[in-house]
Amino acid sequence: AQRVTQPEKLLSVFKGAPVELKCNYSYSGSPELFWYVQYSRQRLQLLLRHISRESIKGFTADLNKGETSFHLKKPFAQEEDSAMYYCALRGGSQGNLIFGKGTKLSVKP
Amino acid sequence: DGGITQSPKYLFRKEGQNVTLSCEQNLNHDAMYWYRQDPGQGLRLIYYSQIVNDFQKGDIAEGYSVSREKKESFPLTVTSAQKNPTAFYLCASSYNRGGFNNEQFFGPGTRLTVL
Repeated sequence: AQRVTQPEKLLSVFKGAPVELKCNYSYSGSPELFWYVQYSRQRLQLLLRHISRESIKGFTADLNKGETSFHLKKPFAQEEDSAMYYCALRGGSQGNLIFGKGTKLSVKP
Repeated sequence: DGGITQSPKYLFRKEGQNVTLSCEQNLNHDAMYWYRQDPGQGLRLIYYSQIVNDFQKGDIAEGYSVSREKKESFPLTVTSAQKNPTAFYLCASSYNRGGFNNEQFFGPGTRLTVL
């Protein structure tokens, strides 16, 4: 079964601390993975995708096929990073996104 | 922002009533989607449409209906058969599958409350 698991509902860190939001997936084919972010009072928006191997707002995510993970990392968290983060997998014949349940990141001053 | 709009922002419904949520996009996207967002549940796919006059059920289609008569519009009707309709509803659109450019763009959402 295709599934995305985000084990932490809430992650709280202090400003300047490293942050890692965990994402594990279950998919039989070659996965395509994304991180979406929803800041307070804003729309859900794409943060990054594994295929681009990019760093956005200091965040990176590496696809680890052996561990079936796509964890989101940032070395020094900022208060403006506080938001809801969703990991998503493109799966199925229609290529629809399968979302995890989300992790709320709270960065304290 | 812009490009994909949803209306109304807030909607209140009495039990037993059908209500329709609007979703419009001017991005020339082929595909459109409806999700339901509940606390602790993430986003769950209700319906999606890859092209005009065609749509498919998602994971939680029961109690919902859609139409796709125009490329720009994908309205969602929440029927009285939906047992727990109070939720935040998100519409999204994207170019069709088949490439790496089909990022989904989301609307601002509609919060539906059943009184």
